[in-house]
Amino acid sequence: EAGVAQSPRYKIIEKRQSVAFWCNPISGHATLYWYQQILGQGPKLLIQFQNNGVVDDSQLPKDRFSAERLKGVDSTLKIQPAKLEDSAVYLCASSSSRDSFNEKLFFGSGTQLSVL
Amino acid sequence: GDSVTQMEGPVTLSEEAFLTINCTYTATGYPSLFWYVQYPGEGLQLLLKATKADDKGSNKGFEATYRKETTSFHLEKGSVQVSDSAVYFCALSDRAAGNKLTFGGGTRVLVKP
Repeated sequence: EAGVAQSPRYKIIEKRQSVAFWCNPISGHATLYWYQQILGQGPKLLIQFQNNGVVDDSQLPKDRFSAERLKGVDSTLKIQPAKLEDSAVYLCASSSSRDSFNEKLFFGSGTQLSVL
Repeated sequence: GDSVTQMEGPVTLSEEAFLTINCTYTATGYPSLFWYVQYPGEGLQLLLKATKADDKGSNKGFEATYRKETTSFHLEKGSVQVSDSAVYFCALSDRAAGNKLTFGGGTRVLVKP
């Protein structure tokens, strides 16, 4: 079974530039998550999709971050403009259930973003 | 809000040593508890879970018991191998907080031959 695919693997940009990350979840998984993992910290949920609808985006900095999942399959996360504090690994995860209470999440390898 | 606290690493051990990683939590409701592991160059993957008090999760020789009275979910392995070198994350999911998965800061474990 193919896992969660993410690209690019690494990205280096200057502050105030824009950047986009792509994620393709496991086939058939209705729920998709984007997490931000700052060095030395645990992942923090940015946004959760159920099919192509947003379930939770309470921790997404909406003034600069946006995400979409137009056809309920793959997803893109965009930052515009980037700040130094956005340097982190951006993780995509998927699951077959909406409910992470008891459900296993499958994670991609992440995109490591460095903002200079 | 909900939170997870783990012991800071790195933890350096010799092969066949006993490993314990402490994890405590605070939650509004009655959460499910998880341990995720991240091997070098790989994505996070679920190691084990427990959904109610006194449940014991186990996998690959690792164990953790859901202790409601001490709000803890410590990870243990009796005899570690070099291949257990990884970063371990404790996490919880709380229905009272919208089922959002909340992670601890992670503990890096290095096992030397």
